[in-house]
Amino acid sequence: QKEVEQDPGPLSVPEGAIVSLNCTYSNSAFQYFMWYRQYSRKGPELLMYTYSSGNKEDGRFTAQVDKSSKYISLFIRDSQPSDSATYLCAMKGGGFKTIFGAGTRLFVKA
Amino acid sequence: DTAVSQTPKYLVTQMGNDKSIKCEQNLGHDTMYWYKQDSKKFLKIMFSYNNKELIINETVPNRFSPKSPDKAHLNLHINSLELGDSAVYFCASSIQQGNTEAFFGQGTRLTVV
Repeated sequence: QKEVEQDPGPLSVPEGAIVSLNCTYSNSAFQYFMWYRQYSRKGPELLMYTYSSGNKEDGRFTAQVDKSSKYISLFIRDSQPSDSATYLCAMKGGGFKTIFGAGTRLFVKA
Repeated sequence: DTAVSQTPKYLVTQMGNDKSIKCEQNLGHDTMYWYKQDSKKFLKIMFSYNNKELIINETVPNRFSPKSPDKAHLNLHINSLELGDSAVYFCASSIQQGNTEAFFGQGTRLTVV
């Protein structure tokens, strides 16, 4: 079992839809939970991070962490074609090593 | 000004050659990383340096040797390149070693032929 599991998709939605992206993990030591967006042929870009449990909102993006279920989510409201990218979840624990999920490819159709 | 910059952006070379990739960050961050992203987009850490000191050294062939001359620079030298080394290599930085990787470079696409 991988430490971090993420459905690679692709996920295709119409413009304006609410997008839900998810990851599960197995390591209870993870404390930082991150979401990165990666456009084709570009480097990952940190979208949001959460320390420990809870929710965090930034504009159209909301990140949720449920440590009891070892499950994290990223919601994108009012999705736009410019949101089309690969979304990577990532987690870091006490060993300072970040583990990335496989990434979910998202397509938002105009 | 680019926060984390890597050179070169593209590198095509023959098997058996030795090559280097350079990375520089102008953010004043203490920690820098090298990641490898394979053809399936899976991103995996290779090395991490904190203020010029090696803190993460994953199971990577010893043909790969990182060097950090100062905390703003982290270079990656690869000896005797193999076909399987073809990938995109990303440099990243974080404020400190326990923090999230805040910035990634644009990547170096290495193709070994």
